[in-house]
Amino acid sequence: DVKVTQSSRYLVKRTGEKVFLECVQDMDHENMFWYRQDPGLGLRLIYFSYDVKMKEKGDIPEGYSVSREKKERFSLILESASTNQTSMYLCASRRGLNYGYTFGSGTRLTVV
Amino acid sequence: AQTVTQSQPEMSVQEAETVTLSCTYDTSESDYYLFWYKQPPSRQMILVIRQEAYKQQNATENRFSVNFQKAAKSFSLKISDSQLGDAAMYFCAYRSWDNTDKLIFGTGTRLQVFP
Repeated sequence: DVKVTQSSRYLVKRTGEKVFLECVQDMDHENMFWYRQDPGLGLRLIYFSYDVKMKEKGDIPEGYSVSREKKERFSLILESASTNQTSMYLCASRRGLNYGYTFGSGTRLTVV
Repeated sequence: AQTVTQSQPEMSVQEAETVTLSCTYDTSESDYYLFWYKQPPSRQMILVIRQEAYKQQNATENRFSVNFQKAAKSFSLKISDSQLGDAAMYFCAYRSWDNTDKLIFGTGTRLQVFP
């Protein structure tokens, strides 16, 4: 089975800190995604990537950036964390358009 | 832009009974995919069932089935013979046939299963 691993299950950071959320998949998938999940809002797409060094903005990219230096790793970066970025962050990957998504177990980030 | 609406924030069902979760969506496209995902307390999203819009036949996966009404833009999930392990958040999601691979999610329905 494909595995998508998010490095931290829980994370607490201070306002203004630079935060890195890491996601690694082990099945050579081209496409990777970062979603944010909030109660009453569902999941919203932050950024996605089709290949190494490629990135596309999703619906809510403001305050975030991403990095994909290697195919298996897709990092979400909060340049200067703010309290409104307290949320659950979910990473996902897929091989291509005709394949299903595999999600990680999420990182619950609290910014204080 | 496409939207997905789940109007039931919470539902409950007794073990062994049947429950139906509602989902409606809005799109001007004729071809697309629809999904139901389950998110248990472990937080990992699991694909429950998938429907291609061009298929008239409703998808089924064991105890899970959908009622896909394309004209009404409705995509409900029926869980038969409910089990305690079915307790989770359920998300309905939409994806265009040929777009940039983006999933659009509803707000979710929390399902409780009582013994």
